[in-house]
Amino acid sequence: GENVEQHPSTLSVQEGDSAVIKCTYSDSASNYFPWYKQELGKRPQLIIDIRSNVGEKKDQRIAVTLNKTAKHFSLHITETQPEDSAVYFCAALSGNQFYFGTGTSLTVIP
Amino acid sequence: ETGVTQTPRHLVMGMTNKKSLKCEQHLGHNAMYWYKQSAKKPLELMFVYNFKEQTENNSVPSRFSPECPNSSHLFLHLHTLQPEDSALYLCASSQDLFDGYTFGSGTRLTVV
Repeated sequence: GENVEQHPSTLSVQEGDSAVIKCTYSDSASNYFPWYKQELGKRPQLIIDIRSNVGEKKDQRIAVTLNKTAKHFSLHITETQPEDSAVYFCAALSGNQFYFGTGTSLTVIP
Repeated sequence: ETGVTQTPRHLVMGMTNKKSLKCEQHLGHNAMYWYKQSAKKPLELMFVYNFKEQTENNSVPSRFSPECPNSSHLFLHLHTLQPEDSALYLCASSQDLFDGYTFGSGTRLTVV
């Protein structure tokens, strides 16, 4: 089955700096990659996703890039703010099942 | 609430108890899921229902028993659990099996 690895497990940045979280996957047939944000004590929420027919997608301060050849995709957050502090999960759709990364705990230091 | 509602939010149960978790979605989605979230681990898929039919059972112990009476409701019946079953149990729904999820707030389960 699919294997999704996520790095780093923890990340601290100064407010205003950029944050990058990277995930790799093993199944070359995976074709949909969502990212979820989970604030402390709250539910995971879908923040951005990308399908395999595009290489980049952007939504305001958040962007996701996909490299199908290398089988990795990354979440980029620019101009970070304290409210960006949360755990971020990547996922890859393989067949009809999503496989999740282990999460990255992002702390934005004011 | 965003459209996926889970009850109860917290549950403490003994190993000999029987309890049920409930999930309800108001989004008109066709697929519903149970996930287990434990510290330092990826989300673990437990059960998948698509149009009320179970499509996945990821080797989950029989002490967890799902029920999906209709496309809007999903239950997880718990019986004779172990302390290692303590975790956050998340329900999710999606329009179909290939779409991103809307998660519920989860049930924080503690088995004593």
